[in-house]
Amino acid sequence: EVQLVESGGGLVQPGGSLRLSCAASGFTFSSYWMHWVRQAPGKGLVWVSRINSDGSSTNYADSVKGRFTISRDNAKNTLYLQMNSLRAEDTAVYYCTRSVNYAVDYWGQGTLVTVSS
Amino acid sequence: QSALTQPASVSGSLGQSITISCTGTSSDVGNYNLVSWYQQHPGKAPKLMIYEVSKRPSGVSNRFSGSKSGNTASLTISGLQAEDEADYYCCSYAGFTTLWVFGGGTRLTVL
Repeated sequence: EVQLVESGGGLVQPGGSLRLSCAASGFTFSSYWMHWVRQAPGKGLVWVSRINSDGSSTNYADSVKGRFTISRDNAKNTLYLQMNSLRAEDTAVYYCTRSVNYAVDYWGQGTLVTVSS
Repeated sequence: QSALTQPASVSGSLGQSITISCTGTSSDVGNYNLVSWYQQHPGKAPKLMIYEVSKRPSGVSNRFSGSKSGNTASLTISGLQAEDEADYYCCSYAGFTTLWVFGGGTRLTVL
């Protein structure tokens, strides 16, 4: 069974940093592109970042470019999102997701990041 | 990276059919047959319902169907059931730099 389990969310002050992790199991992690998608409270889904299967290529939404870094450790079956210079508008549930055929076929349950003083 | 445009809400009666539209541009929806649709119940993670415009993943009811014309994609749900009441999001590939863009979401109410 495919499982994606996020961790690392919490309350952080504006300008602070946070590192999210996503532990993957039930599939060959190193074969798939992975993404982070976020959802602000009461709002819609927003694509944040993507990394290819071996970690050699990454993409970011304009809103997080230069502040967030996606990475992966295929030996540990883990996806990461390093978030720096956090802003109030980064407050959201962050979902770890797997993609295939240019669609997300599995989602984690999400981890809440709250940026507030 | 503007979001795709969806109606904020739609409603339909049990057993009826509804269609949710998703309007983009020639840079995303109109340029790629890579539109997907997701269903999200309150407090839950989204679930993939349609990919590549009209393909259904294994296990998704054939009451759900997708189509596209020009810059607008559509999700049709036939034979509405109470459990279909949820938020629905479209998503389109938008090129290698922007990658993906989601719609703003549509709340479906089953009357």
